[in-house]
Amino acid sequence: DAGITQSPRHKVTETGTPVTLRCHQTENHRYMYWYRQDPGHGLRLIHYSYGVKDTDKGEVSDGYSVSRSKTEDFLLTLESATSSQTSVYFCAISESGGGHTEAFFGQGTRLTVV
Amino acid sequence: GESVGLHLPTLSVQEGDNSIINCAYSNSASDYFIWYKQESGKGPQFIIDIRSNMDKRQGQRVTVLLNKTVKHLSLQIAATQPGDSAVYFCAERGRQAGTALIFGKGTTLSVSS
Repeated sequence: DAGITQSPRHKVTETGTPVTLRCHQTENHRYMYWYRQDPGHGLRLIHYSYGVKDTDKGEVSDGYSVSRSKTEDFLLTLESATSSQTSVYFCAISESGGGHTEAFFGQGTRLTVV
Repeated sequence: GESVGLHLPTLSVQEGDNSIINCAYSNSASDYFIWYKQESGKGPQFIIDIRSNMDKRQGQRVTVLLNKTVKHLSLQIAATQPGDSAVYFCAERGRQAGTALIFGKGTTLSVSS
């Protein structure tokens, strides 16, 4: 497995509270991504990063923010958690952001907002 | 908009049969395609990829076919085994730097002994 660690692996939080998920990589890959996975929707891109302090929005970015202060860490923050953000969140890394390079995924974080 | 879809949400086969999982994509600018396998409770795992300048690529027991004329991608698994039971996703990507993978909704493959 690629060196990707997501934390926490499971979390239950209350509506309205802020939540931060962490993705840590040991591969020194430039690109990092956050996806959410929901039944019937597959994996949808939330935000991605193409370098330290360089981030951009994905398809479902509303209600989420990200930060990347070091190459190895990419944080996803739910500013005020809502029940619609109950999901499984996956971090992915890629050596190149385009072209013929696959992305490697972490094990996922299951988040429940009650 | 860009989208990648799969023809069937579920596929059930017998052990030893060959499986074919299909995927249709809509973005003609995509030039790289990947198949991922996801087992329960785990993240997606890379199976095989193909570039748009290819029609076919083979791996160990798996073959990916790309038909750019009709924007169709398929994954063939030979001699399907119970361990192949999982959800399979196709994904596409454009050639521009910074483009992320776009995923289809997935096909659940069930292999019975």
